[in-house]
Amino acid sequence: GAVVSQHPSWVICKSGTSVKIECRSLDFQATTMFWYRQFPKQSLMLMATSNEGSKATYEQGVEKDKFLINHASLTLSTLTVTSAHPEDSSFYICSVTSGYEQYFGPGTRLTVT
Amino acid sequence: KQEVTQIPAALSVPEGENLVLNCSFTDSAIYNLQWFRQDPGKGLTSLLLIQSSQREQTSGRLNASLDKSSGRSTLYIAASQPGDSATYLCAVGGFGGSEKLVFGKGTKLTVNP
Repeated sequence: GAVVSQHPSWVICKSGTSVKIECRSLDFQATTMFWYRQFPKQSLMLMATSNEGSKATYEQGVEKDKFLINHASLTLSTLTVTSAHPEDSSFYICSVTSGYEQYFGPGTRLTVT
Repeated sequence: KQEVTQIPAALSVPEGENLVLNCSFTDSAIYNLQWFRQDPGKGLTSLLLIQSSQREQTSGRLNASLDKSSGRSTLYIAASQPGDSATYLCAVGGFGGSEKLVFGKGTKLTVNP
């Protein structure tokens, strides 16, 4: 299976600032990566599909101007939460598809104070 | 809109017991179904993947079944161990590929020594 890393594993930022989360596919060239969000005691919800070399595809209800996604190479996708608010505090996790399975990174815990 | 439900939300069993986790989904037109394990504050580990044409998959002490027509899947864990303690997530992949997984809220399993 694919190995996926994320950085940072946790981050605390002040309200109104921006924070960038990196997702790396370590052993697999991923033309597509996925970003999910998980609130406490809730399901993982797909936020967007990151496409290498083109614009990301966002799910309904996800603000594309707030959650900026860049997929500049086959091994790296970044998610930038702009003008973060406390309600953006969540667990953000990325994944890649290899074969028929999805492989997930370890996740990033974002806390906005 | 696909909805995935997992029952029970939490389960506590003594070590050595066999157990069953349940997953149901509303739209039977799925491509595949994947069971994951999530440890606290961690990412997801893929346990078993069942394609829509398959009835079950086995890996070690784990067995997952799929009844697509009735919208149900079960994860059977034999001879449970304290190390099995985690949250187990069920996710279905829509028709056309494993992208856009729709997740249940999970079952939190505690195996007591």
